[in-house]
Amino acid sequence: QVQLVQSGAEVKKPGASVKVSCKASGYTFTSYAIHWMRQAPGQRLEWMGWINVGNGNTKYSQKFQGRVTISSDTSANTAYMELSGLRFEDTAVYYCARPICSLSCHYIAFDIWGQGTLVTASS
Amino acid sequence: DIQMTQSPSSLSASVGDRVTISCRASQDISSYLNWYQQKPGKAPKLLIYDASNFDTGVPSRFSGSGSGTDFTFTISSLQPEDIATYFCQQYDDFPLTFGGGTRVEIK
Repeated sequence: QVQLVQSGAEVKKPGASVKVSCKASGYTFTSYAIHWMRQAPGQRLEWMGWINVGNGNTKYSQKFQGRVTISSDTSANTAYMELSGLRFEDTAVYYCARPICSLSCHYIAFDIWGQGTLVTASS
Repeated sequence: DIQMTQSPSSLSASVGDRVTISCRASQDISSYLNWYQQKPGKAPKLLIYDASNFDTGVPSRFSGSGSGTDFTFTISSLQPEDIATYFCQQYDDFPLTFGGGTRVEIK
């Protein structure tokens, strides 16, 4: 079945970087985008950015510009999100998600989500 | 950024009740609005996309309506398994933004 499986929980010190992976299966990886969101405890979801896996183009939220890098490895059907310069307030569950339809359609609604990866920034 | 404001932030209703949640955008987003359900410790689940379209397998008691800046999500007959937080998401413009959520409980 179609699924996204993320890497495990991470604990990092402030100032460090973290890289979360998102392995896709059950569909043609290069036909869909992958978006990354995060949810801090008790907070609303925040969109971080997305990658067009077909051509590698990326777009980031201005809030994370300069600190986040989204990439993909099509040979491994895996997308990655790297966040640098971690701060205490970056502690959150990070999700990858796939839109409901392929790159050629305009609906940006997420019907396939990874299970989430807890990233904790702690000294 | 487009701000998404949901109300109420929480509600308590009885099984079988009709439940309505509001989502207001800070600017016109046409019909580019989705609704999700999230249970504790789980990833969100898409229920409604493009304001009123059901995702596959979503029970018909869930529905969405609206366009422009004002949107409504309705559960026609609340069931025990509907206990969750519901939130909206706009995709008219980047950055994508989400509502703050409505926690639905059983009275």
